[in-house]
Amino acid sequence: GQQVMQIPQYQHVQEGEDFTTYCNSSTTLSNIQWYKQRPGGHPVFLIQLVKSGEVKKQKRLTFQFGEAKKNSSLHITATQTTDVGTYFCAGVSQISGKLTFGTGTRLTIIP
Amino acid sequence: NAGVTQTPKFRVLKTGQSMTLLCAQDMNHEYMYWYRQDPGMGLRLIHYSVGEGTTAKGEVPDGYNVSRLKKQNFLLGLESAAPSQTSVYFCASSYLPVSTEAFFGQGTRLTVV
Repeated sequence: GQQVMQIPQYQHVQEGEDFTTYCNSSTTLSNIQWYKQRPGGHPVFLIQLVKSGEVKKQKRLTFQFGEAKKNSSLHITATQTTDVGTYFCAGVSQISGKLTFGTGTRLTIIP
Repeated sequence: NAGVTQTPKFRVLKTGQSMTLLCAQDMNHEYMYWYRQDPGMGLRLIHYSVGEGTTAKGEVPDGYNVSRLKKQNFLLGLESAAPSQTSVYFCASSYLPVSTEAFFGQGTRLTVV
């Protein structure tokens, strides 16, 4: 079945440093979503990417969808303590139409 | 506007006991989902519903049953709890299937001893 892997699993950064998480799917995706889960909280939708090569920005966050629509990335510039949490990608398979969540990347910030 | 509400928030069960988790949404969404979250494994779909009176199996349905008698409610049942079902359970709903934003409840932390 479809697998969606994220790397790294954990990332510790100094406040002010940049952070990137990568999402890779075993199958071609029709679209990809990103969610953020604060410690002890629930996943909250951030954004959806649909087009090949699409890039979207939300303030310090930059989301990218690969040309082959099998991978995606989330880059945070100049991290802040409010960025702490686990970031999940979730991809919709072009073949099955099913939504599969990635394994997540847990970001911790060192003040 | 409450969004998606799950009850209970915490529960401890003994092996073999049964329980029902309730999910209620007030956004008039057609689609509802139950996920379980385990460390290092992301969110795995247990069952889902595409409308009132319908249910379907997800990725990890064994040991669980669901019902959607009313559009706003989606119930997850454990008939005979096992330690392997210790997890955090999230309910979610969406207006359209998969390709739109999913709204999640606060989660239920279940421990089976």
